[in-house]
Amino acid sequence: QVQLVQSGSEVKTPGASVKVSCKASGYTFTMDSISWVRQAPGEGLEWMGWISGYNGNTYYAEKFQGRVTMTTDTSTNTAYMELTSLRSDDTAVYYCARDSGIVATIGKFDYWGQGTLVSVSS
Amino acid sequence: DIQMTQSPSSLSASVGDRVTITCRASQDSVNYVAWYQQKPGKVPKLLIYAASTLQSGVPSRFSGSGFGTDFTLTINSLQPEDVATYYCQKYNSAPPWTFGQGTRVEI
Repeated sequence: QVQLVQSGSEVKTPGASVKVSCKASGYTFTMDSISWVRQAPGEGLEWMGWISGYNGNTYYAEKFQGRVTMTTDTSTNTAYMELTSLRSDDTAVYYCARDSGIVATIGKFDYWGQGTLVSVSS
Repeated sequence: DIQMTQSPSSLSASVGDRVTITCRASQDSVNYVAWYQQKPGKVPKLLIYAASTLQSGVPSRFSGSGFGTDFTLTINSLQPEDVATYYCQKYNSAPPWTFGQGTRVEI
């Protein structure tokens, strides 16, 4: 069965960086892609960007360009999302989700990771 | 960017009621709209895609309809386990992928 298992909660200070991992299993990692979606406490869902499991191509939402880097390690079927220059309003649960696109994001998310809480506070 | 506007933002209904949630896209989305269910403290779950196609394993009391700019999620015979926040989302055109602001369903 398809599973996306994310790394554990993180506590960071403003200005720091965080790197969240998402290990995929149960499907061919290189035949799909991963999107990252975040949810601030009590708020809705916000799409951050996408990375192809096939060729590592990325597409970042404009809001996060310059601060986010998404990568993959196909040897371990793991996707990573690094967010830099953290601010208090980056406090959120960060989800990875399987995206049905291969060389471009389709934006349909059929499986989600369990979420990683990133807290940013001084 | 296409904006997705859901209504209502919350609703309260009784077990067995029919519940309807609407979503309006700021631009034509053809039928590329998905609906997600997020139960309290849980991970979002894909319910419906392509406006009306039920994701595998989703109970048949959930249905979706719409085309272009106006879309609807219907829950026939609301059950206690349907308490959740529901989000619409446009996809498969040009990113960014945007979600509606959510509709909280209570009993």
